[in-house]
Amino acid sequence: DAGVIQSPRHEVTEMGQEVTLRCKPISGHDYLFWYRQTMMRGLELLIYFNNNVPIDDSGMPEDRFSAKMPNASFSTLKIQPSEPRDSAVYFCASSLVDDWSGGYTFGSGTRLTVV
Amino acid sequence: GESVGLHLPTLSVQEGDNSIINCAYSNSASDYFIWYKQESGKGPQFIIDIRSNMDKRQGQRVTVLLNKTVKHLSLQIAATQPGDSAVYFCAENGAAGGTSYGKLTFGQGTILTVHP
Repeated sequence: DAGVIQSPRHEVTEMGQEVTLRCKPISGHDYLFWYRQTMMRGLELLIYFNNNVPIDDSGMPEDRFSAKMPNASFSTLKIQPSEPRDSAVYFCASSLVDDWSGGYTFGSGTRLTVV
Repeated sequence: GESVGLHLPTLSVQEGDNSIINCAYSNSASDYFIWYKQESGKGPQFIIDIRSNMDKRQGQRVTVLLNKTVKHLSLQIAATQPGDSAVYFCAENGAAGGTSYGKLTFGQGTILTVHP
């Protein structure tokens, strides 16, 4: 298994532009999570899905952020419009909730820089 | 809200020494705990986990201890190697049936530096 695949690995964009981050979870996993990591706040859960349905989006900072999971093998996190304070590493993770052994599997992350 | 490991301490050790990384958690309802290792430029990587019905679990060179009385978790690394240098996070998952089941809450992490 190739693990959780995120793209792009790095994204540099100008303030005000739309940014779309992509994630392919591990096949068969029924939970998908989006995290944001910064030095100031560490790892923050933004939103998570179960069987493609958003369960908890209370961590999404504001309406500029949106996430979708159109099918079991793909999810996007969109920021529109982007702001410099959105600069962070965004991680996607997936899990099979009925088998917690091994926790979540994280992707390699997308480093977003908004200038 | 409830949180895990509010600090980001650092730990420096010599190669071959044993390392102990600590974590305090606040949600007494949590029933599953995980330690992750994060190397520079990479995502967190699973190391070892433990359920609340256990107080100790061992892996290869690593041991996790859980003290539910004082809500404390520790990771012990035996014979620490330079490749162990990373940030280590503890994480907790809420009990089944609770509102936090299914989502991990992470601590702020501990920076481990191993000197050759």
